[in-house]
Amino acid sequence: QQQVKQSPQSLIVQKGGISIINCAYENTAFDYFPWYQQFPGKGPALLIAIRPDVSEKKEGRFTISFNKSAKQFSLHIMDSQPGDSATYFCAASFQGAQKLVFGQGTRLTINP
Amino acid sequence: DGGITQSPKYLFRKEGQNVTLSCEQNLNHDAMYWYRQDPGQGLRLIYYSQIVNDFQKGDIAEGYSVSREKKESFPLTVTSAQKNPTAFYLCASSNPGIGYGNQPQHFGDGTRLSIL
Repeated sequence: QQQVKQSPQSLIVQKGGISIINCAYENTAFDYFPWYQQFPGKGPALLIAIRPDVSEKKEGRFTISFNKSAKQFSLHIMDSQPGDSATYFCAASFQGAQKLVFGQGTRLTINP
Repeated sequence: DGGITQSPKYLFRKEGQNVTLSCEQNLNHDAMYWYRQDPGQGLRLIYYSQIVNDFQKGDIAEGYSVSREKKESFPLTVTSAQKNPTAFYLCASSNPGIGYGNQPQHFGDGTRLSIL
């Protein structure tokens, strides 16, 4: 119930294409869903986050889509660029929780 | 410039040796966390602390120990009891809020630990 399942494990997209990473959860108490971006040798950095009172949140080329009934959320990267090549982690938590639950990560490669 | 500083960047451990990883933050955050990252895997929580002089075990605490004597510092000791310590270790912190897990976590740039 505490797991967040992330797919795919790795993803290759052509420059200018759309990258889509999916996450699914079981715990309906989760109400905070952040995405982190990690470059090799660096710590993860918060990219964008959503709470379940909205179905979509957009920041520049990055969009989170949230489907509460399906207990799924996804990250869309529009016009993907080689600089977006990184590992992406989804996570989830809820009010009163002391920790985030992370997905397994997706290694994204954008081919020029 | 606020942030989290982890040191050293690379660390080597001999058999039977304890090693300590440093984590310092100047973000004035109450909560701090230690994660372990293995290749192709997500982040697994080792220990976390919500306040000075208090800390809780995470999902994989065996073979590790921590202390939280100062708000800005949360060192992690990898003991000789941890038989597979080779990994990338990440420290994070977050603001207090309604549930620390409900707030963004800010990460350091990690320490890579290897066995000699």
